[in-house]
Amino acid sequence: AQKVTQAQTEISVVEKEDVTLDCVYETRDTTYYLFWYKQPPSGELVFLIRRNSFDEQNEISGRYSWNFQKSTSSFNFTITASQVVDSAVYFCALSEAEESGTYKYIFGTGTRLKVLA
Amino acid sequence: DAGVIQSPRHEVTEMGQEVTLRCKPISGHNSLFWYRQTMMRGLELLIYFNNNVPIDDSGMPEDRFSAKMPNASFSTLKIQPSEPRDSAVYFCASSQDRVYGYTFGSGTRLTVV
Repeated sequence: AQKVTQAQTEISVVEKEDVTLDCVYETRDTTYYLFWYKQPPSGELVFLIRRNSFDEQNEISGRYSWNFQKSTSSFNFTITASQVVDSAVYFCALSEAEESGTYKYIFGTGTRLKVLA
Repeated sequence: DAGVIQSPRHEVTEMGQEVTLRCKPISGHNSLFWYRQTMMRGLELLIYFNNNVPIDDSGMPEDRFSAKMPNASFSTLKIQPSEPRDSAVYFCASSQDRVYGYTFGSGTRLTVV
């Protein structure tokens, strides 16, 4: 069965510190997709990034970067020089194919990030 | 595109009443998902549809919950009768392909008193 583990329930950092959010997944499939979503205090869920299982290149987008390592089944998310506006709950998610030919996403329990001014 | 549209944004109802949550997916998306979010259980997948057909409803908590998708542009999640423990934020999401991930609606915050 597929599973996504975000072991860090809550992290607090001071503004301008770097912070890494961990995500470990389990899947039987060789083809799968990983995602990160952000849920700010306003409550909406915002897509941040996707990564397929064949692409292990790290990705950087501004202050955000993602490290995908198949060998450790991890897809970690780093925020550099954190800002108060980064305060949110961050969810990691995994998608794999279903026997029906469809797909669904399994979410981790989320990591609440608090960035203090 | 206006994104995934959910209504109402907030719903307060009394225990025992019927509640209907509505969702309009993004045009062209062929998969629709209903999630429930609570502090205790996080994001739970309740049911999902592919091409308007329910594929997996194993997450629906009990018979009081039902969902329909009569056409590609509309879905409902109904709770009858509602109970206080149903209080949560209910999200609808749609997707055109597993590669692209979901687009979530803004959610419906349900409070059953």
